[in-house]
Amino acid sequence: EAGVTQSPTHLIKTRGQQATLRCSPISGHTSVYWYQQALGLGLQFLLWYDEGEERNRGNFPPRFSGRQFPNYSSELNVNALELEDSALYLCASSRRGGGGRTEAFFGQGTRLTVV
Amino acid sequence: AQTVTQSQPEMSVQEAETVTLSCTYDTSENNYYLFWYKQPPSRQMILVIRQEAYKQQNATENRFSVNFQKAAKSFSLKISDSQLGDTAMYFCAFVNNDMRFGAGTRLTVKP
Repeated sequence: EAGVTQSPTHLIKTRGQQATLRCSPISGHTSVYWYQQALGLGLQFLLWYDEGEERNRGNFPPRFSGRQFPNYSSELNVNALELEDSALYLCASSRRGGGGRTEAFFGQGTRLTVV
Repeated sequence: AQTVTQSQPEMSVQEAETVTLSCTYDTSENNYYLFWYKQPPSRQMILVIRQEAYKQQNATENRFSVNFQKAAKSFSLKISDSQLGDTAMYFCAFVNNDMRFGAGTRLTVKP
């Protein structure tokens, strides 16, 4: 069974541009979480989607947005990129409702570099 | 929002010895889940162990065990018989609907 897949693996953008990151959850998983991990730091919660709806978002500006598609894959968009947006972006998926009842599985991440 | 605190940025242990990583959290919820994840240099996040808050018994997975103190809001991870492959970042996570992580502890197992 395929795990959580993220694309692209690496992404280099110029300040002010937009970046789009993609995540495909494990088959049967309906919850998708997005995290930002700056170099050497912890995971900062960005967004949680479940059953196609945004359930919660972390303390990030509105230029961080996303969506979840009918097939439960998800997209994270970052507009007006700033240098400090450079980080590893991790996606995780779990079964319906999340809530910790089942394990969340992580993708390998997208390394975003803003120059 | 719930907060998770890991007060040990870095730790080291000799191979075959035991080490304990600390985690505290703040919540007003009664039902929640706690996890420890490890992130080796490969960056892949791997679940180590989970604990349901309604269970008093501490979870155990082979060499990994937790000391869950609900009243104190403490959730520490004990690694016994440490192995070189245990070298990684370890993150404590609190889950009640969404999932929040601590800042992590970098563990180095020395030969």
